[in-house]
Amino acid sequence: QVQLQQSGPGLVKPSQTLSLTCAISGDSVSSNSAAWNWIRQSPSRGLEWLGRTYYRSKWYNDYAVSVKSRITINPDTSKNQFSLQLNSVTPEDTAVYYCARDGGWELTSWGQGTLVTVSS
Amino acid sequence: QSVLTQPPSASGTPGQRVTISCSGSSSNIGSNTVNWYQQLPGTAPKLLIYSNNQRPSGVPDRFSGSKSGTSASLAISGLQSEDEADYYCAAWDDSLNGFWVFGGGTKLTVL
Repeated sequence: QVQLQQSGPGLVKPSQTLSLTCAISGDSVSSNSAAWNWIRQSPSRGLEWLGRTYYRSKWYNDYAVSVKSRITINPDTSKNQFSLQLNSVTPEDTAVYYCARDGGWELTSWGQGTLVTVSS
Repeated sequence: QSVLTQPPSASGTPGQRVTISCSGSSSNIGSNTVNWYQQLPGTAPKLLIYSNNQRPSGVPDRFSGSKSGTSASLAISGLQSEDEADYYCAAWDDSLNGFWVFGGGTKLTVL
């Protein structure tokens, strides 16, 4: 049973960087059959996929076009976790952020969610 | 605007059968399998149906899924009060470099 535990601040000031971490238990961030995603949910935008990182002999990243210029997702093999950094945030980035594992064709496990509010 | 289209609401009485539709395009539902998620208030989405019609362990067989062309459906039979939740469809979209797409969600009310 894969479990994902999120951590990170719930309040970020405009123009600053949003940073969240997702710790993995029951699987490996270096798994050759999984990908590690960040998704957010807000009333205005619904569920929105942000990006993912995965290992297939080397590390790959895919990012949503809407945030591609501002996002970085990094694996941390020493701690078996992965992180999200979203730069230059605005109030439009206020949302519940989720990490999630996909095993190929479905998002099987989700973190508990972190409400991030962008406000001064 | 969500890439996949769902009705915003659905309702039924206990014991009834309810269906929720999800419409997409050739680059997502038309090319890849559909998943359904159940989200209770204040919690993360939970995988309910994967690969169009497969149930993860622990999901009652009252829940079933189907897909035809660029559309999919979730059916809930023998409706129970605890089924009141938001339901989302999702699929991988092959356009650009690929990305996950979701429906806007359907709020199911058990009357």
